[in-house]
Amino acid sequence: QSALTQPPSASGSPGQSVTISCTGTSSDIDNFNYVSWYQQHPGKVPKLMIYEVTKRPSGVPDRFSGSKSGNTASLTVSGLQAEDEADYYCSSYAGRNNYVFGTGTKVTVL
Amino acid sequence: QLHLQESGPGLVKPSETLSLTCTVSGGSIKRSTYYWGWIRQPPGKGLEWIGSIFNSGSTYYSPSLKSRFTISVDTSKNQFSLELNSVTAADTAFYYCARDADSSGSFDFWGQGTLVIVS
Repeated sequence: QSALTQPPSASGSPGQSVTISCTGTSSDIDNFNYVSWYQQHPGKVPKLMIYEVTKRPSGVPDRFSGSKSGNTASLTVSGLQAEDEADYYCSSYAGRNNYVFGTGTKVTVL
Repeated sequence: QLHLQESGPGLVKPSETLSLTCTVSGGSIKRSTYYWGWIRQPPGKGLEWIGSIFNSGSTYYSPSLKSRFTISVDTSKNQFSLELNSVTAADTAFYYCARDADSSGSFDFWGQGTLVIVS
């Protein structure tokens, strides 16, 4: 099971939006609505930002939104803020009790 | 508030066995309907799911890592554990324990992580 593919980096100015893609296959993203997104600041623990493609855990700002089309999931951060600068990882259920993470994207706020 | 804490040696010699324990507080593994998982992250690299366990002892593992890892649970101590045999330098990583919120890989509570160096 290969890691999901994410762009290594993405950036945007404060107030703008940035969208991160996460590409999988017909065996994972395309076949299940179990895509999650995590935010990880340097030296910190990953934090769940989105689950089941579009749902936000309590406390996560609604500036963060998730979507999916075919075998590609996306995370959009609207109204970028300085504290959004972090690494972001997607993950997906891949069937047969198997999960796979993405390669990670470093988001820079310009 | 749920709290998870990893414990174990920070340094392991090559070919030896790595053993880590995750202690859960603020909630009961025995009475929960969640799976509990282990994830690792080599320094400066991405996340890798290792495996997960239910309070019954039912486990599932990453197909690419399955043969080397063993996950177990001790509900009387509210702990679950990870064992990895025949470690190599490639197993050097931060090891995290976490709760799987919806039994589909959405980990909502994480331990602080423990760095294990194989050397």
